[in-house]
Amino acid sequence: ELKVEQNPLFLSMQEGKNYTIYCNYSTTSDRLYWYRQDPGKSLESLFVLLSNGAVKQEGRLMASLDTKARLSTLHITAAVHDLSATYFCAVEFNKFYFGSGTKLNVKP
Amino acid sequence: GAVVSQHPSWVICKSGTSVKIECRSLDFQATTMFWYRQFPKQSLMLMATSNEGSKATYEQGVEKDKFLINHASLTLSTLTVTSAHPEDSSFYICSARVRHRSYEQYFGPGTRLTVT
Repeated sequence: ELKVEQNPLFLSMQEGKNYTIYCNYSTTSDRLYWYRQDPGKSLESLFVLLSNGAVKQEGRLMASLDTKARLSTLHITAAVHDLSATYFCAVEFNKFYFGSGTKLNVKP
Repeated sequence: GAVVSQHPSWVICKSGTSVKIECRSLDFQATTMFWYRQFPKQSLMLMATSNEGSKATYEQGVEKDKFLINHASLTLSTLTVTSAHPEDSSFYICSARVRHRSYEQYFGPGTRLTVT
């Protein structure tokens, strides 16, 4: 079965700093998704990456996909407190496989 | 566009009773709907995939007789938790795929079930 590993699982960072969340997966797939979840809420779609080399940016978040390395990254630039949430990557291979999530806490 | 609703948003029921959760795509026709459960501080676990007019496909380890899924139309799927027990307490999330846009799924707001 396809495995999706995210790291780190927890991330505490200061406002203004940069950091990267990594998502590794075990089977070739051309579809990689990033979601945000706030406490007690459902998932909000951030990015859909559909091809090797795909890069998408929205505000302070940028996601990329390397299908050959089976790796996606979510880069946070100049973090702000409002980005505090749990971030999930998900890989589609016949069905959706979710990573374990990265809980991000941005300290003011 | 692409809004998915769930009802109820939270429910408390007594052990042994059944509870029904509705998932609706409000402004599109969903080819497929998915049901997930999420325990506190954990990831999402796919329970079943539901296609309109056909039987749901359950994931390994999910009891079909306990979690009844009905996909009555292109905009409505229901999950019924039968004879609920405290260990069924969880956050249940549905999602829907848009017909002709199969690379995305839209998530409902979730239903928090507490079984006492």
